This record gives sequence, C-alpha cells and structure tokens, in this order.
Amino acid sequence: GENVEQHPSTLSVQEGDSAVIKCTYSDSASNYFPWYKQELGKRPQLIIDIRSNVGEKKDQRIAVTLNKTAKHFSLHITETQPEDSAVYFCAAYNTDKLIFGTGTRLQVFP
Amino acid sequence: EAGVVQSPRYKIIEKKQPVAFWCNPISGHNTLYWYLQNLGQGPELLIRYENEEAVDDSQLPKDRFSAERLKGVDSTLKIQPAELGDSAVYLCASSLAGVETQYFGPGTRLLVL
Repeated sequence: GENVEQHPSTLSVQEGDSAVIKCTYSDSASNYFPWYKQELGKRPQLIIDIRSNVGEKKDQRIAVTLNKTAKHFSLHITETQPEDSAVYFCAAYNTDKLIFGTGTRLQVFP
Repeated sequence: EAGVVQSPRYKIIEKKQPVAFWCNPISGHNTLYWYLQNLGQGPELLIRYENEEAVDDSQLPKDRFSAERLKGVDSTLKIQPAELGDSAVYLCASSLAGVETQYFGPGTRLLVL
C-alpha cells in the first residue's frame, strides 16, 4: 500500500523567513496531494492541494510543488508569521483514501 | 455553511467501559470517514462510508470497534470495551461523492484510565 514520509518533524524559523516541508510517497498511482494545518486541539484544516496533472500551485504566501517522477511534493510558506505556527500534515490520495505523513511542527519566532 | 460536527469533544472513561462518538457531516456530503489520530501522528483511516454503506472497514478493529450510518447522514463510532491504548483523538471527515477533498471535524479526545 501507499506510504508517505514527511520531513522535517520539527522546524523553527524566524518571522519573515521561508519554511519548506517535504513529503515523499511510494505509489505512483496516487493522484491528489493535500496539505492540512492543525493547531493545538483543533481540527486539521485544508490549506492547499495539488493534483497529479499540475506541477505547482500557489495561494498567497503558500505554494505546493509536485515532482511526479521523483514522487515527492513540498509545501513552501513565504514571509512566515507567528500565526503560521502549527503542525502541518501532507497526504496522498490512493485507492479512495488519504494516507497521511507524520506531521511537521512549525514554530515561527517573532 | 456549518462544518463537520462531532460530539462529545472530550471523554474520560475507565478501561473496559463502552464509549460512543457522534458525527454529523457537511450537508450533502455522501462520503464519511472516521480516523484515529494518536499523539504526534497523522490521522489513520478506520472506516469509510458511501451513504449508509461501509465500503472500507479494513483498518477497523472489529473485535471492539463498531460503526453505523443508518440513514446515510450522521454516524456513530463505538468502542466496547475500551482499552488503555484507545486513548487518542477520533476524527470524523466528510466529502462529496467522488471528490478527494475531505473536511474534518474538531475530533473527540478520548482518555481511557
């Protein structure tokens, strides 16, 4: 079955810097890759997603890139703000289900 | 539009007791999911419903876990009897039929003592 690996597990950046979180997946049949942000004690919230027929997608300060050949995708956050601090999960959609990575705890220091 | 609703938000029980969680999906969402999220981990699928039919329950520990979605709208997940290792967050999510995008509820945080 599909396996999703996510790195790093923790990431600390200074406010205004960029943050990059990387995920790899194992099954080339996976065709949809969402990213969720989860603040402490709250629900995972979809922040951006990308389908396998697209290489890059951007939404204001957030962008996602997908390399189908290498089977990896990345989340890029520019001009980070303290409110970006949360746990971020990547996921791959395969055989009608989402397989999640293990999460990255992002801390943005003022 | 209301999001996915779950109750209770928190539950503390003693081991061997039964417990039930309730989920109401976004209106019009035919597909409903129950996930287990352990501390520091990503959600893991327990069961997926298409309307009232459980189409994927391969990860549901059927000796103690059961679920139902009788009218194809809200759903209940039950554990009987609960074990210490069941302490986790139980998340419900929903999506439109045939659409990959899933929206999550706030979860029920279960503590088994």
